[in-house]
Formats: sequence, C-alpha cells, structure tokens
Amino acid sequence: EVQLLESGGGVVHPGESLRLSCIDSGFFFTSYAMTWIRQAPGKGLEWVAGISESGDITYYADSVKGRFTISRDNLNNKLFLQLNSLRAEDAALYYCARHTYFDDSSAFDIWGPGTMVTVSS
Amino acid sequence: SSELTQDPAVSVALGQTVRITCQGDSLRSYYASWYQQKPGQAPLLVLYGKNNRPAGIPARFSGSSSGNAASLTITGAQAEDEADYYCNSRDNSANHNYVFGSGTKVTVL
Repeated sequence: EVQLLESGGGVVHPGESLRLSCIDSGFFFTSYAMTWIRQAPGKGLEWVAGISESGDITYYADSVKGRFTISRDNLNNKLFLQLNSLRAEDAALYYCARHTYFDDSSAFDIWGPGTMVTVSS
Repeated sequence: SSELTQDPAVSVALGQTVRITCQGDSLRSYYASWYQQKPGQAPLLVLYGKNNRPAGIPARFSGSSSGNAASLTITGAQAEDEADYYCNSRDNSANHNYVFGSGTKVTVL
C-alpha cells in the first residue's frame, strides 16, 4: 500500500523555525514530484511548495517564499520543508502529497495524514 | 496569483444529483482536479484531468469543464458523499504554482 507519513510538527513562538519531514513507502519516490499543502484550523487548503523529481527545481507560494525551503533526499525516500521566521498565520496542518503528472493534467494523488504546526506567543 | 471560486455549501437529497462548480481564469488553460475531505481526514483525490477517476472512486463522480468553469457532479448521492470538496488547478499567473478553491460543503439530506 502506498503511504506517506509526515513528522516534525510542534508548538513554536513567532520567529522560530521548524523542519518537517515526510517519508514514503510503497512507491518509486524518485519518479514523482512532491508537494506540501497546508490547512489552517477550520479553513481551506493552501498549496505551499513543490519540488521536481530530482530536487533541482522548486516552487513556492508567495506567502512563504523566502521563509520556507522544500528539499528531498532521494536516497532515503524523504521530503522536507524547512520553516523559518514563522508567523501566526503559518499555523496549520501540513500535508505532504505526491504530485503525479498525467497526459493532460496533474494531481495530488497520495496524501499523508499531516503534521500540525502551532505558532503561539 | 489566480483565484478559484466555489459556492460555500450545497445540499442534495439522498439518491439525487448534485453539481459543484469552480470558477477561475486558470481553468481556461488548465484542467481542475477535485478533492473530497471528510472531518478529521486528509483530502482524497476523486477526479482529475478531463474526466478521470482514480482507482476506487465510484462512477457516480464525474467532471466537466467549459470556459473558466469546472464542475464535479455526483449522480445518485450517497450518505458517505457528505464532505467538503475542493477544486485545484495550476496557477495561471505563476508557472508551476497551484491554487485551491475555497471549498464546498456538501450535505446529503
């Protein structure tokens, strides 16, 4: 069974940092682009960042550009998100998801259960 | 960045048909994908591309698109279809970025 599992969430103060991890099992990790998506409590989904299969191309939402860094370790099937200069509005459940490209489209077809980030003074 | 607009909530009688719409300029260039989210669960991909369902998604879920709008239709809604539904597409204004709709709460009566 294909699975993703996030870790690394926690409670931090504004301005502090966290590193989120996501490990896959059951699929060829290096064959897929990956992404992070977040959801603030009671709110909708927000795409945060994406990374190519090899890790050489990365993309960020304007709301996190310059503060968050997405990366991957293809030897160990892991995805990361470094969160710096955290703000209250970054508090959310962070999901990692597999980003699959099809002939005419793409979609986030496998999701982890998420890891919670709380930013509180 | 682009925006995708969805109605906040719709209701449907058990066994009837409901259509959920998503509007945005990016949909003129890119297909939407659709995600179902039940309380306390991660989102689940239910539709992608022109009208494609992942393995295990019932055939009562179908999709269409026209102009700047995309739709997800549930034909013969079941109690287990009660959930939040989000559309998503590539961002028209920023290459390789993506945007989600605000979500539609579907209630099955």
